[in-house]
Amino acid sequence: AQSVTQPDIHITVSEGASLELRCNYSYGATPYLFWYVQSPGQGLQLLLKYFSGDTLVQGIKGFEAEFKRSQSSFNLRKPSVHWSDAAEYFCAVVTSYNTDKLIFGTGTRLQVFP
Amino acid sequence: EAGVTQFPSHSVIEKGQTVTLRCDPISGHDNLYWYRRVMGKEIKFLLHFVKESKQDESGMPNNRFLAERTGGTYSTLKVQPAELEDSGVYFCASTFSGTPYEQYFGPGTRLTVT
Repeated sequence: AQSVTQPDIHITVSEGASLELRCNYSYGATPYLFWYVQSPGQGLQLLLKYFSGDTLVQGIKGFEAEFKRSQSSFNLRKPSVHWSDAAEYFCAVVTSYNTDKLIFGTGTRLQVFP
Repeated sequence: EAGVTQFPSHSVIEKGQTVTLRCDPISGHDNLYWYRRVMGKEIKFLLHFVKESKQDESGMPNNRFLAERTGGTYSTLKVQPAELEDSGVYFCASTFSGTPYEQYFGPGTRLTVT
């Protein structure tokens, strides 16, 4: 069965530090890949997506993600974290081109210290 | 433009009672999805409407859950009778048919069954 793994449940970083959130998927072909963020009291917001082409994708709020086929990974990065980035981050995939239902990882909660 | 809205934001009911959750998608979005996140677990797909028709209801847990989308506009998700394991956050999302992979999420309804 298709699955998405986010191995880090909780990450704490200092403001201004770099960030990398890990995501691995289990699927035979290359799925469509997404990162969402949920701030307190808000809905999930799409940060970025990968369908094909350049494996380094840029998103909103200064985030980027790199697709690595050999590692079945789609890690999210940001060079300098801001206090407002504190939120929960979800990696998700769409595994069939006949459906657009998302399969999510369990999420990573990011805490940012001043 | 208003985003996806959900009502109520939080509901506390006793086991055996009935609860109805409502989702208003973004105007003009034909596709409407329901997802659920049980405490500590991943967000899981429940079902997908295209206009008023159920396109995919493979994620509905059992027949205690009934989803409707009247006239292809807002949707309701009824749980009757509620069980303890139904507690969680219920998210609604919508997309425009031309961009099926850009799902816009509502803030969710937190359901607590005691």
